[in-house]
Amino acid sequence: SQTIHQWPATLVQPVGSPLSLECTVEGTSNPNLYWYRQAAGRGLQLLFYSVGIGQISSEVPQNLSASRPQDRQFILSSKKLLLSDSGFYLCAWRRQNTGELFFGEGSRLTVL
Amino acid sequence: DAKTTQPPSMDCAEGRAANLPCNHSTISGNEYVYWYRQIHSQGPQYIIHGLKNNETNEMASLIITEDRKSSTLILPHATLRDTAVYYCIVISTGNQFYFGTGTSLTVIP
Repeated sequence: SQTIHQWPATLVQPVGSPLSLECTVEGTSNPNLYWYRQAAGRGLQLLFYSVGIGQISSEVPQNLSASRPQDRQFILSSKKLLLSDSGFYLCAWRRQNTGELFFGEGSRLTVL
Repeated sequence: DAKTTQPPSMDCAEGRAANLPCNHSTISGNEYVYWYRQIHSQGPQYIIHGLKNNETNEMASLIITEDRKSSTLILPHATLRDTAVYYCIVISTGNQFYFGTGTSLTVIP
């Protein structure tokens, strides 16, 4: 069966520090991968998606970036965090061009 | 993808059926209706999806009107654990999932 894991689960970082959130999927190949963010009390915002290794599409211009170094690995990064980057970050996978999304457990980031 | 409209909040008595409506009047022929829910501090969970016909699984039933301009998610016997935000999304194959604000369902003991 397919599983998705992301880490760390919680993170407290000072403004201006770097960020790296990792997500891996097991049990499937060539998935579409997604990063969403949910600010406190808000809906889910699609940040990035990837249909293959090295292929990243950005939905919202900001100081975040994403990379896909391997088929089943998706990384969200920032060189310098802002207070507004605080939120609940969710990784998700989907079979190529079909079917439903499956979400990871989420990573809660607090920027102080 | 077609936009959806959902009521911001609903209450349901425990053990009763919860009927969550969704309007998608601009839906096109190749767009599916998906339902997800998000329990507090967790990632969204897939519930059900359909194209034209009504669908049922172990979690819920999805009723799509004949003109496909609206649908209803039915939780047949709501429990306290069904308290969550429910998202209705209309999407065509190959496009991306965009989540709205959904309906916050509270199941009351």
